[in-house]
Amino acid sequence: DQQVKQNSPSLSVQEGRISILNCDYTNSMFDYFLWYKKYPAEGPTFLISISSIKDKNEDGRFTVFLNKSAKHLSLHIVPSQPGDSAVYFCAASAWNSGNTPLVFGKGTRLSVIA
Amino acid sequence: DGGITQSPKYLFRKEGQNVTLSCEQNLNHDAMYWYRQDPGQGLRLIYYSQIVNDFQKGDIAEGYSVSREKKESFPLTVTSAQKNPTAFYLCASTVGQAEKLFFGSGTQLSVL
Repeated sequence: DQQVKQNSPSLSVQEGRISILNCDYTNSMFDYFLWYKKYPAEGPTFLISISSIKDKNEDGRFTVFLNKSAKHLSLHIVPSQPGDSAVYFCAASAWNSGNTPLVFGKGTRLSVIA
Repeated sequence: DGGITQSPKYLFRKEGQNVTLSCEQNLNHDAMYWYRQDPGQGLRLIYYSQIVNDFQKGDIAEGYSVSREKKESFPLTVTSAQKNPTAFYLCASTVGQAEKLFFGSGTQLSVL
């Protein structure tokens, strides 16, 4: 049973426009969420995170929004650039519930078209 | 430079053979993890270790084994019992339980 779901396998966006990647989770114990970016044949790199005490976290062009009641988070990239083309993974952890490893979604492949 | 080193980059396994993937980190991280990536499957947890000489099974541990004799090293053995070993294997480490993971560059394992 998937606890972290990324329902869009792929997304195409024009350069300069906004990219919105979505993630849903089912485990109400999750209280820490992260986004990772991955290029082919490389390891994922950390992008941005948010804890459940916040509903928004911003870092440059990247903003993550958390809606706890809907168990939904989204990553906004503005403006999108061709170098943003990669697979983005959403991950979650029940940090306050003990030692639980991150649970990852299946990823969304973002293509930014010049 | 601190980081996580996985070797080899590419590995081929023959039928019935055990192979070991290396993972070394010099970040002084306590916790280390092994994930497997298959196309369209995301990252699935194989094993993890939060302290030396201790490790736990993840979601897909069958057919794999690990050891954690040193803080810096967490090798993964893909045994002959793993019937579908072809995948991209990622090692990661973190200083805490839910801190951001630092990943190695991965090992692509294929079956001959």
